[in-house]
Amino acid sequence: EAGVAQSPRYKIIEKRQSVAFWCNPISGHATLYWYQQILGQGPKLLIQFQNNGVVDDSQLPKDRFSAERLKGVDSTLKIQPAKLEDSAVYLCASSLAGTERETQYFGPGTRLLVL
Amino acid sequence: AQKVTQAQTEISVVEKEDVTLDCVYETRDTTYYLFWYKQPPSGELVFLIRRNSFDEQNEISGRYSWNFQKSTSSFNFTITASQVVDSAVYFCALTGDSSYKLIFGSGTRLLVRP
Repeated sequence: EAGVAQSPRYKIIEKRQSVAFWCNPISGHATLYWYQQILGQGPKLLIQFQNNGVVDDSQLPKDRFSAERLKGVDSTLKIQPAKLEDSAVYLCASSLAGTERETQYFGPGTRLLVL
Repeated sequence: AQKVTQAQTEISVVEKEDVTLDCVYETRDTTYYLFWYKQPPSGELVFLIRRNSFDEQNEISGRYSWNFQKSTSSFNFTITASQVVDSAVYFCALTGDSSYKLIFGSGTRLLVRP
């Protein structure tokens, strides 16, 4: 069974530029998550989708970050404009139905460096 | 509020040594779930184990074992006869019935030297 796919794996941009990340969850998983992992820290949830609806985006800096999950499968996360402090690894995860008892499976992440 | 503490920032051992990674959690939930993930240098978080709050049985999987103690709010992870391939950052995480959000600790970096 294919795992969570993410692209690109690495991205370097200048501050104030925009960037987008793509995620394809495990087939059949209704719930998709985007996490931000700053160096030396654990991942922090940015947004959670159930199918194509948003369940939790309380930690998403909505002035510059946006995310969508059209058709309830793939998702994109966008940053516009990027700041230096956005340098981090962006991890996508998925689970079957999004309950607390389920395991979340993670993709390889996208390493973003903002100069 | 839920919280996970991994007090060991970095541990260095020589191959074949046993090593224990500590995890202490805080939650007010009656039902909760604890997880361990491994993050190798490639960056992907690899799921290792999930344990619910009603199951305090210790678990062993090959060289890995987990000790869950509700009395001390701990869920420690032991690697027996460590190998170089075990070098990674290990995260403990928590979720509960009051919030589906997965809360991670800050991770423990394990370096196994040949």
